[in-house]
Amino acid sequence: DVKVTQSSRYLVKRTGEKVFLECVQDMDHENMFWYRQDPGLGLRLIYFSYDVKMKEKGDIPEGYSVSREKKERFSLILESASTNQTSMYLCATLTSGSYEQYFGPGTRLTVT
Amino acid sequence: AQKVTQAQTEISVVEKEDVTLDCVYETRDTTYYLFWYKQPPSGELVFLIRRNSFDEQNEISGRYSWNFQKSTSSFNFTITASQVVDSAVYFCALSKGTGGFKTIFGAGTRLFVKA
Repeated sequence: DVKVTQSSRYLVKRTGEKVFLECVQDMDHENMFWYRQDPGLGLRLIYFSYDVKMKEKGDIPEGYSVSREKKERFSLILESASTNQTSMYLCATLTSGSYEQYFGPGTRLTVT
Repeated sequence: AQKVTQAQTEISVVEKEDVTLDCVYETRDTTYYLFWYKQPPSGELVFLIRRNSFDEQNEISGRYSWNFQKSTSSFNFTITASQVVDSAVYFCALSKGTGGFKTIFGAGTRLFVKA
């Protein structure tokens, strides 16, 4: 079974702090994704990566950056957290040639 | 532009009732894929089903069934004899035929099944 883990289930940060959200997968999937989930909006893609050191912007990349130095790890970075980044963040993976994504349990981030 | 609409924000049923979750999509692509995912209270989305645009056959898996109709751009999901464990948020999603990279999710429908 694919295992996708995220570093924290709950996180509280202050406005202006730099925030790192980590995602690790154990199935050697090439593709990894970061989404944010907000009520009434569903999941929106922030960034995705299709290979080590490769990244593509999703639909809402503003205020975020990502890093993928190793295949199994994909980090989401909030350079200067703001209250409108309070949300649930979900990491997902996808193996090339497939269509079904595998999700982590999510990190609920609160920025005060 | 692609779009997925789940008009039902929340549905509440009593155990053993049948319930249908609606999904309407928009796309100009001729090849595309439709999905349903379940998000239980634990948080992680779980894949339920994938259909491609060329396969309009309905599918049944135990108490779950899916009705895909291209004529109405709908991909509805029915749970028969609902159970408390079915309580979750359900997402309908749409992806281009080039792979799962750009998957568009609907807003989700929260289903409450009461004992």
